[in-house]
Amino acid sequence: NAGVTQTPKFQVLKTGQSMTLQCAQDMNHEYMSWYRQDPGMGLRLIHYSVGAGITDQGEVPNGYNVSRSTTEDFPLRLLSAAPSQTSVYFCASSYGATQPQHFGDGTRLSIL
Amino acid sequence: RKEVEQDPGPFNVPEGATVAFNCTYSNSASQSFFWYRQDCRKEPKLLMSVYSSGNEDGRFTAQLNRASQYISLLIRDSKLSDSATYLCVVDTNSNSGYALNFGKGTSLLVTP
Repeated sequence: NAGVTQTPKFQVLKTGQSMTLQCAQDMNHEYMSWYRQDPGMGLRLIHYSVGAGITDQGEVPNGYNVSRSTTEDFPLRLLSAAPSQTSVYFCASSYGATQPQHFGDGTRLSIL
Repeated sequence: RKEVEQDPGPFNVPEGATVAFNCTYSNSASQSFFWYRQDCRKEPKLLMSVYSSGNEDGRFTAQLNRASQYISLLIRDSKLSDSATYLCVVDTNSNSGYALNFGKGTSLLVTP
């Protein structure tokens, strides 16, 4: 089983560029979420979705957009990349909001 | 008070030792508790859920103390492969819409 698949695994952007981080899951999970992880900060929730067509903001949503047009896919868009968005991004999914989450491999993003 | 707090460590223990981590949480209404393991530059992976009565999975024992609002993880007969960061996870159980709060992790290094 593929589980949660994130692409790309690595990306370097210039300040001001935009890009989309892809996340797909094949477990028919309703709940999906995006986190960023920075040294000393732990995992911080960016956006989440409780089902197709429904998204909401997490702890650090500024500078990011999400959409959930299907149960399987939950892309994260960086609108205008800033060096402060250099981080490791993890996508996760679960059957429900308080159920154990399954994580993708992560995307390592550097903004120059 | 932070919602989920962990001692960052590092805990350096010899092979075969027993080591215990505690994690405190601030929301007395929380209902879901988990321990995750994260290896360096990898995604977090579910180690075990924590149940009210306590639970064991091989060398790992998790316990919940609702009165004092903490959960613990005990690792017996430590192996070199147990070296990792252990994340405490607690549900927010609030109207904010958040679901799971991740602690910043406790680092464990098992030495020969």
